[in-house]
Amino acid sequence: KQEVTQIPAALSVPEGENLVLNCSFTDSAIYNLQWFRQDPGKGLTSLLLIQSSQREQTSGRLNASLDKSSGRSTLYIAASQPGDSATYLCAVYSGANSKLTFGKGITLSVRP
Amino acid sequence: GAVVSQHPSWVICKSGTSVKIECRSLDFQATTMFWYRQFPKQSLMLMATSNEGSKATYEQGVEKDKFLINHASLTLSTLTVTSAHPEDSSFYICSARPLGMDTEAFFGQGTRLTVV
Repeated sequence: KQEVTQIPAALSVPEGENLVLNCSFTDSAIYNLQWFRQDPGKGLTSLLLIQSSQREQTSGRLNASLDKSSGRSTLYIAASQPGDSATYLCAVYSGANSKLTFGKGITLSVRP
Repeated sequence: GAVVSQHPSWVICKSGTSVKIECRSLDFQATTMFWYRQFPKQSLMLMATSNEGSKATYEQGVEKDKFLINHASLTLSTLTVTSAHPEDSSFYICSARPLGMDTEAFFGQGTRLTVV
């Protein structure tokens, strides 16, 4: 059974800091890995999707890497801003029906 | 492109009544739609997978008679919470997978259900 872990559960940083959010998964036989952002009481916003054959994806200040063999992914946020404050969820597509398994998320707070 | 619309965004209902939540893919056809449930400060838990024209597949521990799923067309899936109880209060989110895309899904904005 696929399990996705995100540690720590919460993170607080000052504005302008570069930061790395970690994600690990137990079954390396994945199709894709996707990072989402969720604001309080809202749905999910897709940030980056990394296919299993890729090593990384970039969008603006965000960079996501994937090391499938070790079961790890990182989301790098450059020059963090207060508007980046949200919960960041990592999810992997694996198994029958390409089922999506989510981590519990990392709640990020960027202090002005 | 790839927009998923979910309605209503919030609903309050009395205990014992039923509530229907709709999930529509606006600009693509989706053979597969997924329903998730999220409790406060918890991650999304998959409840069921629905395939157009066939019965939904429920995850272990999810009561299929309580959470009725219908996927009658390639653009619409509905989740009906029957005989709702306060413990059913939660955030429900759907996602839809476009035809021909096996490994990416797009999410609706969620429905906050409160049962009083």
